[in-house]
Amino acid sequence: EAGVAQSPRYKIIEKRQSVAFWCNPISGHATLYWYQQILGQGPKLLIQFQNNGVVDDSQLPKDRFSAERLKGVDSTLKIQPAKLEDSAVYLCASSHGVGSGETQYFGPGTRLLVL
Amino acid sequence: GQNIDQPTEMTATEGAIVQINCTYQTSGFNGLFWYQQHAGEAPTFLSYNVLDGLEEKGRFSSFLSRSKGYSYLLLKELQMKDSASYLCAVRRNSGNTPLVFGKGTRLSVIA
Repeated sequence: EAGVAQSPRYKIIEKRQSVAFWCNPISGHATLYWYQQILGQGPKLLIQFQNNGVVDDSQLPKDRFSAERLKGVDSTLKIQPAKLEDSAVYLCASSHGVGSGETQYFGPGTRLLVL
Repeated sequence: GQNIDQPTEMTATEGAIVQINCTYQTSGFNGLFWYQQHAGEAPTFLSYNVLDGLEEKGRFSSFLSRSKGYSYLLLKELQMKDSASYLCAVRRNSGNTPLVFGKGTRLSVIA
């Protein structure tokens, strides 16, 4: 079974520029998450989708970050405009069911450097 | 707030046993996960505990005490490839809800 796919793997931009990341979850996984992982820390949730609906975006900085999952499969995360502190790895994860024991499967991440 | 504490770094010798501790104080508890993350790679699932006690899976075991807000990951017969960060994560709410991660413990296995 193919894993979670993300692109690009690396991105370098200047502050105030825009950037977009793409995620394709494992086939059949209804739940999709975007996490931000700053160097030396654990992943922090940005947004959770269940199919194409947002379940939790309480920690998403909505003045600059946006995300969508229009057809309930692929998802895009955008930052506009980027700040220096957005330098991090952006991880996409997906899971199948609805129970508390559901495992999240992570993609390889997009490593973003804002100069 | 949500507080998940792990040691920042640990070093252990190849072939030995190491225990990585995790303590948590969260508003709600519906399970604790351990993930392994090699440098520059995605976290991969190791174990899940929701009831008190020990879960064993090959060389890896995980323990949970809900009354103490405490878990540990035990790695036996350490191999060089076990050098990685180990992330403790708590699911606070029921259902398939987001995880709250600790900062991770960076384990170095030396010869």
